[in-house]
Amino acid sequence: DSGVTQTPKHLITATGQRVTLRCSPRSGDLSVYWYQQSLDQGLQFLIQYYNGEERAKGNILERFSAQQFPDLHSELNLSSLELGDSALYFCASSVEENTIYFGEGSWLTVV
Amino acid sequence: EDQVTQSPEALRLQEGESSSLNCSYTVSGLRGLFWYRQDPGKGPEFLFTLYSAGEEKEKERLKATLTKKESFLHITAPKPEDSATYLCAVQGFGRNSGYALNFGKGTSLLVTP
Repeated sequence: DSGVTQTPKHLITATGQRVTLRCSPRSGDLSVYWYQQSLDQGLQFLIQYYNGEERAKGNILERFSAQQFPDLHSELNLSSLELGDSALYFCASSVEENTIYFGEGSWLTVV
Repeated sequence: EDQVTQSPEALRLQEGESSSLNCSYTVSGLRGLFWYRQDPGKGPEFLFTLYSAGEEKEKERLKATLTKKESFLHITAPKPEDSATYLCAVQGFGRNSGYALNFGKGTSLLVTP
C-alpha cells in the first residue's frame, strides 16, 4: 500500500458526460500528480500541483482540469467525455523531488 | 523534450535465466532516473532512484545501473513472481517540468517455471 488513495476505483459513463476523480496523497506529501495510462500511449503526465498551486502541465486536454484543495487532496475533472478518454487514471504524490508514489488508479470506461 | 526508450518491449525468461532491461534517455538535465514495477491493473510500485552516472542500487534479484545515456535493470535468477511490466522514468531540471516523471513504455517481463 503506497498510502495514496484514489476514488472511485471503477466507473462507467456515457460520451459527453463529466466525471470527477478524487485523490488523497500520502500524509505530509505536498505534491500531487495526475497521469493517464492507456494501452497504446503508456503513462502520460497530465498535471502537477504543489501545495495548492499548479506546478507543471503535461499533455492535459482543455476538457480536463484539476485542483488541489487546502487539505491537499486533489480532484481531476474530465468533461465532454469521448470514447478515447477511456483509460486508467493515476494519482501520485511526493515530498518535493523525492520518490513519487502512485495510487492504485481509477478505471474510466466511456461508452 | 525529454525522451525515454525502453527495450525490449517484451521479454520471456525461464526461471533462473538472468537478463537485463535497457532504458535509453535524453533529458536536458537529469535530476533522477526512476525504475518502477507495475502489475496488471495496479499502480506502479517504486523500485529505485539513480541520480548520477556510475551509481548502482540493488534490491533482492534486481540491480539498477546508470550511465550518462542509459540505465540497465539487471535481473538475476528471476522467479515467476518477478513477472510484471518494468517502467523507467526520468525527472529533469527543465524549467516547466516541476518534479514530474517522463515514462518509457515499459518492458513486459514473463518468467516461466
